[in-house]
Amino acid sequence: SQQGEEDPQALSIQEGENATMNCSYKTSINNLQWYRQNSGRGLVHLILIRSNEREKHSGRLRVTLDTSKKSSSLLITASRAADTASYFCATVDYNQGGKLIFGQGTELSVKP
Amino acid sequence: DAGVTQSPTHLIKTRGQQVTLRCSPKSGHDTVSWYQQALGQGPQFIFQYYEEEERQRGNFPDRFSGHQFPNYSSELNVNALLLGDSALYLCASSQTLNTEAFFGQGTRLTVV
Repeated sequence: SQQGEEDPQALSIQEGENATMNCSYKTSINNLQWYRQNSGRGLVHLILIRSNEREKHSGRLRVTLDTSKKSSSLLITASRAADTASYFCATVDYNQGGKLIFGQGTELSVKP
Repeated sequence: DAGVTQSPTHLIKTRGQQVTLRCSPKSGHDTVSWYQQALGQGPQFIFQYYEEEERQRGNFPDRFSGHQFPNYSSELNVNALLLGDSALYLCASSQTLNTEAFFGQGTRLTVV
């Protein structure tokens, strides 16, 4: 079963705009990870944020985590056509052995 | 470093047949997990192997089985294939149980 929900399910923006995707989850976690998937192929790891962290940056990516609300957001700044992909959040609970529990994903389309 | 490699990339099988998918983990990784991703959905955890043993299992029937070899590579076997087993099967490797996971490009299985 999926851990939670991602919002929106689909997002269409113009190149240069910022894209924000949200992820909610249901149980306690040790970390939350974001992945990108192009055209139904393999998942590419973007960023990992631990439960004791509130914000993390990597290049044009900014991730926030609010454990009190059980939610996270991924912000992609100055988007490019190459950012077009599906984005998934996945939670990890060490008490459950470290398996990744994925959301449904957000399909991002960046138009040139 | 070749990263995580999976074979084959595509496979077509007939209902009732058996299939074996293969995965070689990233160099230095000893933990392999398998995920099933139906079209339009997030990946769902099948099972995880560490030290040649199944450490965790998701909500999948016994038709799904696996193996990990001494060189850490892994196989996923599915018996008595059903049409509903059609999906992208993803392998992920990590260094021990609770660290960042790297995914292969997946095997697209179609059951007809």
